[in-house]
Amino acid sequence: AQTVTQSQPEMSVQEAETVTLSCTYDTSESDYYLFWYKQPPSRQMILVIRQEAYKQQNATENRFSVNFQKAAKSFSLKISDSQLGDAAMYFCAYGDYGGSQGNLIFGKGTKLSVKP
Amino acid sequence: KAGVTQTPRYLIKTRGQQVTLSCSPISGHRSVSWYQQTPGQGLQFLFEYFSETQRNKGNFPGRFSGRQFSNSRSEMNVSTLELGDSALYLCASSAHRGEQYFGPGTRLTVT
Repeated sequence: AQTVTQSQPEMSVQEAETVTLSCTYDTSESDYYLFWYKQPPSRQMILVIRQEAYKQQNATENRFSVNFQKAAKSFSLKISDSQLGDAAMYFCAYGDYGGSQGNLIFGKGTKLSVKP
Repeated sequence: KAGVTQTPRYLIKTRGQQVTLSCSPISGHRSVSWYQQTPGQGLQFLFEYFSETQRNKGNFPGRFSGRQFSNSRSEMNVSTLELGDSALYLCASSAHRGEQYFGPGTRLTVT
């Protein structure tokens, strides 16, 4: 069974600085998706960034980028120029490419605080 | 496009009762997935519906059920509520493989 591990329960960053959130996963599949979701205090889950396993190039969305290491099964999220609005729970998620594609497997989350 | 909507947003029920939660996906999305979020267990997959058929099911007891209508709207039902069913129930819709968009959730409290 696939698993997702986020080893940092909480992290803190100074406004305008850069922070990296870690995620490792385990799967025997070769094709899959990885995601980072953000859940602010409002509880609305927001898709931050997505990566397809077959793509070697790391995904980037504005201030958010990932470091995808397929062999190491590692998928970290880098947030540059951190803003107060980035404070939230961040979840790493794995999605199968095949039959179980409707089932995302989530890590336990990392709570990010941003200090002014 | 309007996002995923869930009703009601908050619900308080008594042990032993049943509850029905509703989810309207983004227009054009045919897949709807349901998740339970609790502080202890985190986010856990309940089931997924696609074109009115349950395509995947998580490891939850039979008290948890769902359905999807022809307009892709989905409902989930929990019968014989237990205190442990208190949670945030999230619905997500998807148009294609992988990417899911979440609704605001329904906060269920069982007393």
